[in-house]
Amino acid sequence: QSVLTQPPSVSAAPGQKVTISCSGSSSNIGNNYVCWYQQLPGTAPNLLIYDNNKRPSGIPDRFSGSKSGTSATLGITGLQTGDEADYYCGTWDSSLSAWVFGGGTKLTVL
Amino acid sequence: QVQLVESGGGVVQPGRSLRLSCAASGFTFGSSSMHWVRQAPGKGLEWVAVISYDGSNKYYADSVKGQFTISRDNSKNTLYLQVNSLRAEDTAVYYCAREAYYGTGAYFDYWGQGTLVIVSS
Repeated sequence: QSVLTQPPSVSAAPGQKVTISCSGSSSNIGNNYVCWYQQLPGTAPNLLIYDNNKRPSGIPDRFSGSKSGTSATLGITGLQTGDEADYYCGTWDSSLSAWVFGGGTKLTVL
Repeated sequence: QVQLVESGGGVVQPGRSLRLSCAASGFTFGSSSMHWVRQAPGKGLEWVAVISYDGSNKYYADSVKGQFTISRDNSKNTLYLQVNSLRAEDTAVYYCAREAYYGTGAYFDYWGQGTLVIVSS
């Protein structure tokens, strides 16, 4: 059972928008910055969002992040088949003194 | 460019030990905290451990405390993970990752390609 809770899967049609939620607590999301990773099949994770809502260079603005209280959300617009991947949220947990990840969400672009 | 290259994985019998390595290049290794993250087959990411830039601070996931030891050699630009008393549930791809921190939140900006550890008799 992951400390951060994500839906196991989401799906949407090409061109549509999808959101992925990440729920935590005051010891993690509530008081720390959240990041998001994309993991394409058979590859290492890749940073998508950091500091709740910032994109590294090279990440298209179709990807966005937000945070409110003890929850965070990843948004993806203009879905493409190449976006099919697993998505993970992560942050530091101050009570556990440990980094924590969500269980991951598999995105299917129908 | 930043490169992280893990090695040391393989097939190992239960109860045995391994030392995983992560060779870093393309950045000032001695200035970055470094992490190990693992992923069991078909499962999600599990954070394992972190070591501060100078090795003075180390934190571990509860699941590996007392079993795994993270260390680094800044003169060799190399991160290590000593994994002892291996169990079947330690079977996973082990990734090293660089921590980026610029005063706000920490995050992993670079990851290695991973090294696979299979614990099997």
